[in-house]
Amino acid sequence: KAGVTQTPRYLIKTRGQQVTLSCSPISGHRSVSWYQQTPGQGLQFLFEYFSETQRNKGNFPGRFSGRQFSNSRSEMNVSTLELGDSALYLCASSSEPDTPRPQHFGDGTRLSIL
Amino acid sequence: AQTVTQSQPEMSVQEAETVTLSCTYDTSESNYYLFWYKQPPSRQMILVIRQEAYKQQNATENRFSVNFQKAAKSFSLKISDSQLGDTAMYFCAFMKRTSGTYKYIFGTGTRLKVLA
Repeated sequence: KAGVTQTPRYLIKTRGQQVTLSCSPISGHRSVSWYQQTPGQGLQFLFEYFSETQRNKGNFPGRFSGRQFSNSRSEMNVSTLELGDSALYLCASSSEPDTPRPQHFGDGTRLSIL
Repeated sequence: AQTVTQSQPEMSVQEAETVTLSCTYDTSESNYYLFWYKQPPSRQMILVIRQEAYKQQNATENRFSVNFQKAAKSFSLKISDSQLGDTAMYFCAFMKRTSGTYKYIFGTGTRLKVLA
């Protein structure tokens, strides 16, 4: 079984631009969660999608948005990029969000804002 | 609100020695789950070990074991016979049921370096 796939692996943008990150979960997994990882802050939860619906949302500004498609693939969009958005963005999938199953993580997308 | 605290930003240990990573959490819930995840340098985060709060017995996975103290809200990870491949960032995570789904809260991580 293929793991969680995130594209692209690396991205460099400038302030004010927007960016879209992609995540393909493990086959059969319908829940996708997004996290922002920065040094000293650990993993901060962004949002979770299940069956194309956002079920949970973290404390991030509205510039951060996401969506999930019918094939469970998910995208995350950040608009009007700021220097502080530089981070590793991780996607994680699990088979069912209503059970306490471990999450399976992708390699992440490292976003650098110049 | 639930919080997870890892008070050791960085640690080092000699190869073959034992090291313990600490994690404390704050919750008023009685039913929850605790995890340790490992993130090797430039590699994918993987699950190391999990513990159900309703289980008194400490979880073990080969060289990895936990010391779960529910009353003290402490969940430390012990790595025995440390190996160079254990060098990684370790995250403690708390999971509980919220509004019908399970939600994770992660600590800030402990960077462990195993020295040859």
